Amino acid sequence: NAGVTQTPKFQVLKTGQSMTLQCAQDMNHEYMSWYRQDPGMGLRLIHYSVGAGITDQGEVPNGYNVSRSTTEDFPLRLLSAAPSQTSVYFCASRPASGSPSTQYFGPGTRLTVL
Amino acid sequence: AQSVTQLDSQVPVFEEAPVELRCNYSSSVSVYLFWYVQYPNQGLQLLLKYLSGSTLVKGINGFEAEFNKSQTSFHLRKPSVHISDTAEYFCAVTRFGNEKLTFGTGTRLTIIP
Repeated sequence: NAGVTQTPKFQVLKTGQSMTLQCAQDMNHEYMSWYRQDPGMGLRLIHYSVGAGITDQGEVPNGYNVSRSTTEDFPLRLLSAAPSQTSVYFCASRPASGSPSTQYFGPGTRLTVL
Repeated sequence: AQSVTQLDSQVPVFEEAPVELRCNYSSSVSVYLFWYVQYPNQGLQLLLKYLSGSTLVKGINGFEAEFNKSQTSFHLRKPSVHISDTAEYFCAVTRFGNEKLTFGTGTRLTIIP
């Protein structure tokens, strides 16, 4: 049981480039989320999904796209990278139980946009 | 809307001394509260959570927190810290049925030998 995995661990992009951050979980969790972590700002929700085929925006969705074609995978796409997107990105998942339960976080992807 | 305030961005503490990390929240409805820990270069790990019931909750690594509804606080405590507790600690809040977990800005705990 690998939990939540994220690839790559590190990435450097030039302004305007596009890329996809990968996130996968093997716990059959319905809910998955993407957060970004910036110094002094904690974690902010980018997008989330409550199940395959269902996604919604979080607090800071601009510049990012997501899709959820399977329960296991929840990729985050940067369409045209900007220096403001330099951050550490965390993916999280949890089961859709009747009350809030533990979110399981991946190890993170450190992205630098030059 | 819900929000979380962690007033202390950094807390230095001598080894084996007690520590309290403060967390205050605001919400118009009942909330669920969490403390997460992030060790250097790692992801977040759940320390403890309050969903309902006893207001004193115990977590891993000897940490505990007390939910105080009248003061809208959820402070984290440990009676005796160790070097291995050096990390960043995040308080977070959500409400039932809401996927939007709102995090505080974090408190960096530094243990002084």
